[in-house]
Amino acid sequence: GEDVEQSLFLSVREGDSSVINCTYTDSSSTYLYWYKQEPGAGLQLLTYIFSNMDMKQDQRLTVLLNKKDKHLSLRIADTQTGDSAIYFCAEWYGNKLVFGAGTILRVKS
Amino acid sequence: AAGVIQSPRHLIKEKRETATLKCYPIPRHDTVYWYQQGPGQDPQFLISFYEKMQSDKGSIPDRFSAQQFSDYHSELNMSSLELGDSALYFCASSRSKDTQYFGPGTRLTVL
Repeated sequence: GEDVEQSLFLSVREGDSSVINCTYTDSSSTYLYWYKQEPGAGLQLLTYIFSNMDMKQDQRLTVLLNKKDKHLSLRIADTQTGDSAIYFCAEWYGNKLVFGAGTILRVKS
Repeated sequence: AAGVIQSPRHLIKEKRETATLKCYPIPRHDTVYWYQQGPGQDPQFLISFYEKMQSDKGSIPDRFSAQQFSDYHSELNMSSLELGDSALYFCASSRSKDTQYFGPGTRLTVL
């Protein structure tokens, strides 16, 4: 079955880069997503990447996809305190999204 | 830009009661998805509708039912509520099963 795994916690200093990693199991996934969730709030779509791409950059966000290893990463450049949140990796599987457990990003000022 | 609207934002019910959650998708989006997020958990897919027909079904209890109406809004009906149903319920919408945009969620507390 489908499974998405993420590291649970990441702590960085303000101004540093953050890298959040994710692995998935379904090699037929067409789209992979990153969502951000602040405490008590909804899921905000950050970015997504199509499976035939290796990289996508959107301002401070860079997504890298290694399809061979089924590994996805999200790099946040110049991390700010407002970036503190839970980041969910998700894969499109069978007409639905399957989420990882989420990575808590804490940014220290 | 218009976003997904969910109502109510907060709901408190007692065990064995019934709850109805509503979702209004982004205009021109034809697909609606429902997810349940328990405390400290990742969102779990419940059910989806495409063009008013049920499209896919996940781990939705038999006590729950949902439908999509002619104006594309959707309602999730939950009966015989249990303490374990306390969670955030998200609705997401997309255009032709493309990228999903999530609403702010309804926080359901069952006492």
